[in-house]
Amino acid sequence: EVQLVQSGAEVKKPGESLKISCKASGYSFTSYWIGWVRQTPGKGLEWLGVIHPGDSDTRYSPSFQGQVTMSADKSITTAYLQWSSLKASDTGMYFCVGQLWIDYWGQGTLVTVSS
Amino acid sequence: DIQLTQSPSFLSASVGDRVTITCRASQDINTYLAWYQQKPGKAPKLLIYAASTLQSGVPSRFSGSGSGTEFTLTISSLQPEDFATYYCQQLNSYPRTFGQGTKVEIK
Repeated sequence: EVQLVQSGAEVKKPGESLKISCKASGYSFTSYWIGWVRQTPGKGLEWLGVIHPGDSDTRYSPSFQGQVTMSADKSITTAYLQWSSLKASDTGMYFCVGQLWIDYWGQGTLVTVSS
Repeated sequence: DIQLTQSPSFLSASVGDRVTITCRASQDINTYLAWYQQKPGKAPKLLIYAASTLQSGVPSRFSGSGSGTEFTLTISSLQPEDFATYYCQQLNSYPRTFGQGTKVEIK
């Protein structure tokens, strides 16, 4: 069974760094792209980008290029999304999405950035 | 980026009603379109992929059609568990954009 299990909710202050995770199981981790999607009340669902865990090739949405960094660790079949300096506007629910023969979604990680 | 425009943004319907949601793409995306259902606090659930293929386990009252730039999601007879928000997503090219959503509420 394909599963994507994300790390728990985070509360951070502006300027802090953060790395959230997405643990994949049930399929060949290095064969398929993993994407990230943000959901906010104001902007709906936004696609951030994808990473190929096999070679760490990444494709970022122009709107998020330079704002976030995607990475993956093949040894533990886990993908990551990180920020070096959070802003209040980064607040939202973040989903990882395994792009297999269909898309499989993680359960989401709520990130709250507030002073 | 490919823009997706859903209509309506909100609809009020009764159990048993036939409901149709439209998704228009700003350029030709062939049949690279998926439909999702989302309930509060949950991840989106895949209903339809490749514009018209029903995902395994999804009730047959859901159907999708269209190609190119115009697509529809139809619920043939609305059930109480179908009250939710529905999104389309294009899978033709990166970034894989979404429609703004259609919230289906009980009349």
